[in-house]
Amino acid sequence: AQSVAQPEDQVNVAEGNPLTVKCTYSVSGNPYLFWYVQYPNRGLQFLLKYITGDNLVKGSYGFEAEFNKSQTSFHLKKPSALVSDSALYFCAVRDGGSGYSTLTFGKGTMLLVSP
Amino acid sequence: GAGVSQSPSNKVTEKGKDVELRCDPISGHTALYWYRQSLGQGLEFLIYFQGNSAPDKSGLPSDRFSAERTGGSVSTLTIQRTQQEDSAVYLCASSLSQGLGTEAFFGQGTRLTVV
Repeated sequence: AQSVAQPEDQVNVAEGNPLTVKCTYSVSGNPYLFWYVQYPNRGLQFLLKYITGDNLVKGSYGFEAEFNKSQTSFHLKKPSALVSDSALYFCAVRDGGSGYSTLTFGKGTMLLVSP
Repeated sequence: GAGVSQSPSNKVTEKGKDVELRCDPISGHTALYWYRQSLGQGLEFLIYFQGNSAPDKSGLPSDRFSAERTGGSVSTLTIQRTQQEDSAVYLCASSLSQGLGTEAFFGQGTRLTVV
């Protein structure tokens, strides 16, 4: 079965500093990985995805994510955090080995960027 | 429309009453998902529709929950005899196809409160 783990409930970072939000996954085949962001009282917004190819994927709002097959990780990163990046971030996966199309989400990580 | 539309945005109901939640996906999207988001619980998969295929109902928590999708477009999630533990935000998403690398787009959600 496909699964995703986000080991940190909350990440705190000062504005201007780099940020990392961690995600690890478990699948039987090739992973299809996604990051979403949720602002207060809003739905989820798609940030970026990894399907194949370069391990470093660039997405919206200056975010990027690094796919690491050996560590089964897909950490979200940004070189310089903004206060406006404060939100709830979700990692999600589909398992290419099962052909199953439903997205499985992690429990989310709250990112707090302080001025 | 431009995005996934859900109605109502908020619903307060008495315990034991039935409720219907509506989702209008992005035009042309063949896949439709329902998720439930409870505080601290992440996103819980409920049901998945893809074209004319039988829906994947494996995430429905009890037989009080059902969903249908008419004409391959609008979907309704029905909860019968609501319980307090049904209180959550119900999110609908759609995607262009069932391709594993296809991102899903989410609506704003319906916040259900059972009193």
